[in-house]
Formats: sequence, structure tokens, C-alpha cells
Amino acid sequence: DVKVTQSSRYLVKRTGEKVFLECVQDMDHENMFWYRQDPGLGLRLIYFSYDVKMKEKGDIPEGYSVSREKKERFSLILESASTNQTSMYLCASSFTGWTNEKLFFGSGTQLSVL
Amino acid sequence: GQQVMQIPQYQHVQEGEDFTTYCNSSTTLSNIQWYKQRPGGHPVFLIQLVKSGEVKKQKRLTFQFGEAKKNSSLHITATQTTDVGTYFCAAFQTGANNLFFGTGTRLTVIP
Repeated sequence: DVKVTQSSRYLVKRTGEKVFLECVQDMDHENMFWYRQDPGLGLRLIYFSYDVKMKEKGDIPEGYSVSREKKERFSLILESASTNQTSMYLCASSFTGWTNEKLFFGSGTQLSVL
Repeated sequence: GQQVMQIPQYQHVQEGEDFTTYCNSSTTLSNIQWYKQRPGGHPVFLIQLVKSGEVKKQKRLTFQFGEAKKNSSLHITATQTTDVGTYFCAAFQTGANNLFFGTGTRLTVIP
């Protein structure tokens, strides 16, 4: 089975801190994604990557950046955390292509910014 | 950007009752996927529909894709407590490369 591992299940940070969320997948998937999940808003795409060192903005990239130096690892960076970034962050990966591939999700990181 | 509207947001049913959630888009969709997220869990892929008017079944779950490829539904017959969770639709807009998720329907099954 595909495994998508997120480094932390819960994280508490202070406003202004730089925050790194790490995600690793073990199935040589081309595509990786970062979503945030908020009650009543569903899953919203922050950034995605379809290859090493490649990245594309999703629907809500403001306040975030990403890094993909290796195929298996996709990092989400909050340069200066703010309280409105308190959320559940979900990483996902898919094999290749866009319109016919299902996503495999990690367990999520619940981030609280105080 | 693309919006996929999903209704209802919440649904409480008695065990044994049926349940349906709907997804609607104002634009044509390339395909639609359905995911289930158990409480405290992460979304897990259920199925993908690609063809206009397509209907697929998984045991008590029936998935439909509209003829115009602008809407979809998930119907659960005779719900069980194991069906509890949030059901999301997710869709690619024709010509786009983003998977847009609906807001989800949270299903509660009362024993």
C-alpha cells in the first residue's frame, strides 16, 4: 500500500514563527499536493508539484511556500505563521497524470498558531 | 476558480435509512472522484466516474455522474454505523489540472 507520512500529527506554534510541515511518500509518485481543511470549507489546495523542483500555486497559496528537492518529499513552509493559518494540513500524492489518478492522503497535521 | 458545491453539509439518519449527497458544478467536469473521511482520519478514495451518465455500485453505495457531466451523487442504501464520516466529491474541470474538492457532507448514523 502507498504510504504518505506527515512528520507531525499535532503542532503548536507562535505567531511569526517559521513553520515547516514535512511530507514523504514511498511509492515513487510524481505528483504531490498540500491541502488545508477547515470546517465548512472542505479541502482547499495550497500548492502542488508534478516533478522535483517544480511547483504550482493552488487556490490559496498566500502566506505559504513549498519545496520539493527530492521526489519523495514535499515540504510546506509558513514563512511567518499567523493565527488564520490554524488548520488541518493534509499532504497527498498521486502516481502520474492529472485527470485519472486518485490521491493518497497522509494522516494530516493539526496546526495551531497562537 | 472552479467551485464544486456539495449538499447537504450535514445529515443525520437513523440506522437503516438511506442517504444521498449531491455535488454540482456550473462548468463541465472531466471526471469526478469520491472520497470518505472517517472521524479523526484522512480522506480515502472510493471511486472515480468518467463517462456521461455513468453509474457505479460498491455494495450499498451507488455513484452517479450526470448526463451533462456537471453533477454527481452518492447514495447509500440502508446506512450502517460504519458509514459514519464525511463524504467529499472532487472534480477536475475540463482543461484544468487542479482537483477541486466539494465542501463535504458529514454523515451521522444513529443506532
